[in-house]
Amino acid sequence: DTAVSQTPKYLVTQMGNDKSIKCEQNLGHDTMYWYKQDSKKFLKIMFSYNNKELIINETVPNRFSPKSPDKAHLNLHINSLELGDSAVYFCASGTGIGAFFGQGTRLTVV
Amino acid sequence: AQSVTQPDIHITVSEGASLELRCNYSYGATPYLFWYVQSPGQGLQLLLKYFSGDTLVQGIKGFEAEFKRSQSSFNLRKPSVHWSDAAEYFCAVGWGSGGSNYKLTFGKGTLLTVNP
Repeated sequence: DTAVSQTPKYLVTQMGNDKSIKCEQNLGHDTMYWYKQDSKKFLKIMFSYNNKELIINETVPNRFSPKSPDKAHLNLHINSLELGDSAVYFCASGTGIGAFFGQGTRLTVV
Repeated sequence: AQSVTQPDIHITVSEGASLELRCNYSYGATPYLFWYVQSPGQGLQLLLKYFSGDTLVQGIKGFEAEFKRSQSSFNLRKPSVHWSDAAEYFCAVGWGSGGSNYKLTFGKGTLLTVNP
């Protein structure tokens, strides 16, 4: 069973579009995260949620809106996509310290 | 501010040789330290972690890491590298004010190439 699963794995879209990435974890963790990996492979946290409550928001543009319908799911919605949003987005879940990561979603904005 | 430095951007070793990947951190309190591996086109897999106790920690795939507080280091080692170890390796420090406020700050990664 996949512990942290994201869909889709690849996403190619035009500038200005709105898109969503879904994430689900079956580890029973309370905390879920979104991380962004840029073209230089640098990983940086974007958000964390605990039991559907936003805990960390790392100065991410408000075009990015995470939504957590329950503690097993954390989706990422992105409005008005820009070229600079092209990256790999990783969902993760953890008990607080450390995290287990999904396979990533490679977003390409053209 | 918290930071993680991986001094080596790219390391090449021969299969069967030993490996050491360096990691230095800057953090004011007792750190939680991690090594992750990312194979091409794949997600991040946790290799090992250090929270407290024995400063030599064992991980998966034959990796180990040693925490040295005096040097602010958490270097990753493997006695004999296999071709399948070729990947990007990330060191990370976990920090926060407690509970669900913890997050990971990553180093910029070290790319490992293994020659046959």
